[in-house]
Amino acid sequence: ETGVTQTPRHLVMGMTNKKSLKCEQHLGHNAMYWYKQSAKKPLELMFVYNFKEQTENNSVPSRFSPECPNSSHLFLHLHTLQPEDSALYLCASSQDRYATYNEQFFGPGTRLTVL
Amino acid sequence: GIQVEQSPPDLILQEGANSTLRCNFSDSVNNLQWFHQNPWGQLINLFYIPSGTKQNGRLSATTVATERYSLLYISSSQTTDSGVYFCAARMNRDDKIIFGKGTRLHILP
Repeated sequence: ETGVTQTPRHLVMGMTNKKSLKCEQHLGHNAMYWYKQSAKKPLELMFVYNFKEQTENNSVPSRFSPECPNSSHLFLHLHTLQPEDSALYLCASSQDRYATYNEQFFGPGTRLTVL
Repeated sequence: GIQVEQSPPDLILQEGANSTLRCNFSDSVNNLQWFHQNPWGQLINLFYIPSGTKQNGRLSATTVATERYSLLYISSSQTTDSGVYFCAARMNRDDKIIFGKGTRLHILP
C-alpha cells in the first residue's frame, strides 16, 4: 500500500447506527486531517492531529469522534448521525501541520450516506 | 473573514484549448496548493507553490504572494483534465487552512 488509504470507500448507515471510518498513511507523516465535503460546499477541515495530539477541532458536533492511536492511523467514529451529515469524508496527511513546508496528501475518501 | 476565492466557477472548453484558473486570497499565505479532484472524489496533488512558478508537463502554476493570487495554467486540454480544481491556502495570520470552492472544468472531445 502506498500513500493514504481510507476504508470503507462507501458507507450507508441509519441514524441510530454506530460506525467508524479508518484512514492509514504510509508516507511517514506526523500530521493527519479529517475533512468533510458536502455537495456544492468547499472542503471543511474538521479535525487535525499533529504528532498524535489533537490540535484542531473546528466546531464539529460531538456525534463525530476522532481517534489517532499513532501517527499512521486515524479514525472517525460516528454515532447518531443526521441525514445532513451525508458527505464525502476525506483524510489527509502531511509531514508536520505547523512546519514551514506543509504539503498535504489526500486519501480517496469515504462516501457516507445517512438514512 | 478570511477568504479564498476561485474563478471562474465553471469552465467549458474544447479539447486542445488552453485555460487559466485563478485563486485569490484575502490575506497573506505561507502555503498554497493546487489539487485536481477526479470524478471519484480523489484529490490529486498538482502543485505545492507558496510563491514563484512551477511547471509539470502541460500544467504550470504561478503564485504572486505579495499580490495575493495564484494562477493555474492548463495547456492543450485533454478530456482527462475534466474535474474540479481546488486551491488551498494556509493563512499567515492564524495558520488556518482554507479551501476555495473550486473551478469545475469540462473538456469537450
